[in-house]
Amino acid sequence: GESVGLHLPTLSVQEGDNSIINCAYSNSASDYFIWYKQESGKGPQFIIDIRSNMDKRQGQRVTVLLNKTVKHLSLQIAATQPGDSAVYFCAEKSNTGKLIFGQGTTLQVKP
Amino acid sequence: DSGVTQTPKHLITATGQRVTLRCSPRSGDLSVYWYQQSLDQGLQFLIQYYNGEERAKGNILERFSAQQFPDLHSELNLSSLELGDSALYFCASSVEGQGETQYFGPGTRLLVL
Repeated sequence: GESVGLHLPTLSVQEGDNSIINCAYSNSASDYFIWYKQESGKGPQFIIDIRSNMDKRQGQRVTVLLNKTVKHLSLQIAATQPGDSAVYFCAEKSNTGKLIFGQGTTLQVKP
Repeated sequence: DSGVTQTPKHLITATGQRVTLRCSPRSGDLSVYWYQQSLDQGLQFLIQYYNGEERAKGNILERFSAQQFPDLHSELNLSSLELGDSALYFCASSVEGQGETQYFGPGTRLLVL
């Protein structure tokens, strides 16, 4: 079935450390994945995406890794800053074309 | 700023009432999506429109309805409101509505008392 799940509901990291947020998906036919960041009181904001023909994609301080063998997606944030504190959602493009969102991981950055 | 606008930002109403939420997509986007986000919950897909036509339906209650107008703005109508309808309602838009990146508005916070 279609489901996207996050391994941990809350991740707490020290400012300056790297953060890794994980996501598992169930549909091996999914070909497009997106990470969103949602700050308190705001709408989800696009961070980075990756297509299934890639294993890795880098943005500014963020990297998304895709492991199709184990159907796992991760978001790495380098040198985590207080402004990175938010809920992070992964989303998977289903075979019907809809985006299926995971439940979200809360990232807390300690000063 | 995503380019997607939603009004109102906050809405407080009573049970049994009806409200209308409005969304204007990004310039050039033809598809609009509505999501509900309850406290500590993820994003629940409600419905999608593409160029004025309904394209996909998710977990949308029969008390809820939506439409997309010729100018591509969309409205979500919530009727016979219940306490459990209190949530954040987000609108998102995308270019073609084929599972590409969706850009979200700031949301409408609905409180049903």
